[in-house]
Amino acid sequence: GEDVEQSLFLSVREGDSSVINCTYTDSSSTYLYWYKQEPGAGLQLLTYIFSNMDMKQDQRLTVLLNKKDKHLSLRIADTQTGDSAIYFCADGSSNTGKLIFGQGTTLQVKP
Amino acid sequence: DGGITQSPKYLFRKEGQNVTLSCEQNLNHDAMYWYRQDPGQGLRLIYYSQIVNDFQKGDIAEGYSVSREKKESFPLTVTSAQKNPTAFYLCASSFGENTEAFFGQGTRLTVV
Repeated sequence: GEDVEQSLFLSVREGDSSVINCTYTDSSSTYLYWYKQEPGAGLQLLTYIFSNMDMKQDQRLTVLLNKKDKHLSLRIADTQTGDSAIYFCADGSSNTGKLIFGQGTTLQVKP
Repeated sequence: DGGITQSPKYLFRKEGQNVTLSCEQNLNHDAMYWYRQDPGQGLRLIYYSQIVNDFQKGDIAEGYSVSREKKESFPLTVTSAQKNPTAFYLCASSFGENTEAFFGQGTRLTVV
């Protein structure tokens, strides 16, 4: 079945760039999403990328997609303490209509 | 305001009891989803519904049941058959395939 994998933890210093990586297995993926979850809350959509794109930039966020390797990354420029959260990669399968999530990457930003 | 609302925020259940978690949306979304979140395991799909009066099992449907009698509502029942129900439950909705999902604030269920 479809699977999405992420590393579990990333620690950076305030002002540095953060790069969160994700791999997926589904060849029929149409959209890939990045969500942010703050403690005790639901998920908030940060950005998404269509599968025929290589890159998408949205202010401090840059998404890179390598469709051949099924690898997705989220770069956060000038990381702030308010960026500390869990970041989820999600794969929108065009075959099933399901949204499959990775395990989430906890981003810790040190002052 | 448009949005998706889960209630209650916290829920305590005794072992052997069924309990129902509420999820309501006024976004006119066709699709609704239930996920379970455990520490270090991300979100796992329990059930999803792409249209009223129809729903499909996700990856971990055993011990859960749902109904979709109205477009706005997708309640989840955690039955006594669910062996380890203590978790954070998230409901989401979307316009359907390949559209972004909006999430509720979650319900934390604890079995006591």
